[in-house]
Amino acid sequence: AQSVTQLGSHVSVSEGALVLLRCNYSSSVPPYLFWYVQYPNQGLQLLLKYTSAATLVKGINGFEAEFKKSETSFHLTKPSAHMSDAAEYFCAVSDRRGSQGNLIFGKGTKLSVKP
Amino acid sequence: KAGVTQTPRYLIKTRGQQVTLSCSPISGHRSVSWYQQTPGQGLQFLFEYFSETQRNKGNFPGRFSGRQFSNSRSEMNVSTLELGDSALYLCASSFQDAGLEQYFGPGTRLTVT
Repeated sequence: AQSVTQLGSHVSVSEGALVLLRCNYSSSVPPYLFWYVQYPNQGLQLLLKYTSAATLVKGINGFEAEFKKSETSFHLTKPSAHMSDAAEYFCAVSDRRGSQGNLIFGKGTKLSVKP
Repeated sequence: KAGVTQTPRYLIKTRGQQVTLSCSPISGHRSVSWYQQTPGQGLQFLFEYFSETQRNKGNFPGRFSGRQFSNSRSEMNVSTLELGDSALYLCASSFQDAGLEQYFGPGTRLTVT
């Protein structure tokens, strides 16, 4: 069965520092992987997705993630943190059977950005 | 294009009551999924509807049910509410395949007292 593990429930960085949020997945089939962001009292916004094309995926707001099959990882990075990046980030793997499926989410990582 | 909308945004109910939440997907999207988000369990998949049929279901008791209308709008119902049902309920839509990218609404915050 598919699963996702996000290492670190809280990550704190200084403004301008590198952001690295870790995600490891388990999947019996080639995975589709996603990163979503959730701001307080809002729904989830898709940051980026991996669907078996390029292993380095660029998303919105300067975020990118690299799919590493050998490490079963899909870590999210941003070179320089901004105060507006403070939010909760969720990694998800698609649980697909044929043409149907749903997303399985990690527990989330809360990112704090210090001025 | 308008995003996914959910009504109401906030709801307070008493144990034992029932509740109905509504979701309007992005225009043209035929798949609607529902998720429950709690601090303890995180985001958990409830069910997915496609063309008015439940196509996929998570591991929730039968008190949780849903339906989809011909215009793709969806409702979910929770009967005999329990305190543990307090959560943010998120609706997501996708064009056809819910295993691909989904677009989420702002959620309905349900508080059961």
